[in-house]
Amino acid sequence: DADVTQTPRNRITKTGKRIMLECSQTKGHDRMYWYRQDPGLGLRLIYYSFDVKDINKGEISDGYSVSRQAQAKFSLSLESAIPNQTALYFCATSDTGQGAMGGYTFGSGTRLTVV
Amino acid sequence: AQSVTQPDIHITVSEGASLELRCNYSYGATPYLFWYVQSPGQGLQLLLKYFSGDTLVQGIKGFEAEFKRSQSSFNLRKPSVHWSDAAEYFCAVGAYGQNFVFGPGTRLSVLP
Repeated sequence: DADVTQTPRNRITKTGKRIMLECSQTKGHDRMYWYRQDPGLGLRLIYYSFDVKDINKGEISDGYSVSRQAQAKFSLSLESAIPNQTALYFCATSDTGQGAMGGYTFGSGTRLTVV
Repeated sequence: AQSVTQPDIHITVSEGASLELRCNYSYGATPYLFWYVQSPGQGLQLLLKYFSGDTLVQGIKGFEAEFKRSQSSFNLRKPSVHWSDAAEYFCAVGAYGQNFVFGPGTRLSVLP
């Protein structure tokens, strides 16, 4: 099994619909992140969480919300999806004990299309 | 503000040729530097990282990178490219207590 699992892998949804992307991890890491990838823009941080009670906005949080249900689970929601939220979404984890030196472990991504 | 640039959007090399992917950064703190690779349909995999010490670091899959503080660069190299190296490559910068900043990526194509 993958260390960081994202579901679904692919999703097509209609404008205005609510959608949730889920992420679970078996790394035992305390920090979790949601990134969005668009061609030519690299990865941009949406939200991050350093533990269950600590949620922080990233650089592009508008239109998104998150929930850290447990140390191992971090969900991203689009309350009312719009076409420019069509992108590849990645969940990542890291370990506070290693700080930035440990790097991030990424999931395989969720490809979301809003029509 | 922290930033990472990868000047080459797309590079094409022949199999067996050498490769260099460029990365420049602007970062106030002492940076930790990373290179990730993303194969089609996959997540990002860590190739190598630099924190301190020897400025030439070795990674997986035969890749290496050299940190040059005077040029604010961390270029990725491979002496002989294989067809399986075709992917997208991301440079990232982090620091203690800071989230990573990723570059826009360089797509590598390999000709047979």
